[in-house]
Amino acid sequence: EVQLVESGGGLVKPGGSLRLSCAASGFTFSSYSMNWVRQAPGKGLEWVSSISSSSSYIYYADSVKGRFTISRDNAKNSLYLQMNSLRAEDTAVYYCARDPGFLEWLGSFDYWGQGTLVTVSS
Amino acid sequence: NFMLTQPHSVSESPGKTVTISCTRSSGSIASNYVQWYQQRPGSAPTTVIYEDNQRPSGVPDRFSGSIDSSSNSASLTISGLKTEDEADYYCQSYDSSNRVVFGGGTKLTVL
Repeated sequence: EVQLVESGGGLVKPGGSLRLSCAASGFTFSSYSMNWVRQAPGKGLEWVSSISSSSSYIYYADSVKGRFTISRDNAKNSLYLQMNSLRAEDTAVYYCARDPGFLEWLGSFDYWGQGTLVTVSS
Repeated sequence: NFMLTQPHSVSESPGKTVTISCTRSSGSIASNYVQWYQQRPGSAPTTVIYEDNQRPSGVPDRFSGSIDSSSNSASLTISGLKTEDEADYYCQSYDSSNRVVFGGGTKLTVL
């Protein structure tokens, strides 16, 4: 059974940093692209970033480019999101989501974690 | 880049059929696959349609997807509505730079 479990969320002051983690199990993690998607309270889904299976290709939304860094450790079956220079508008539930393409990027999501809440407030 | 525009909300009675639209602002809707996700309150999204009109295993055939090049839009149709279908629905695609785009979401009320 595919499982994605996020952790690392919490309360942080504006300008601060936070590192999210996503532990994957139930599939060959190193063969799939992975993503972060966020949802501000009461708002819609917003794609944040994608990383290919071997980390060769990385993409960011304009809203986080230069502040967030996505990475993965295939030996640990883990996905990460380093978030720096956080702003109030980054407050959201952050979901880890798998791209269904085996060794290819399909640009969609088939499995999602339950999310971790990040609150940016003074 | 382009935007995907969905109606903010739709409502229909149990047993009826509802269609949710998703209009692409620029570029052809047929250029890149469209997916649809269902999100119930307090839960993570789940896929109900992928690659324009494909249903994942476990999704009832009451759910169907299509694209219409003349209106440059995708549609999610749910027939035989059940109260359990009440949720938010999001369309999603991607652009030529491999950036993912979500529609704003549609709240479906089954009353």
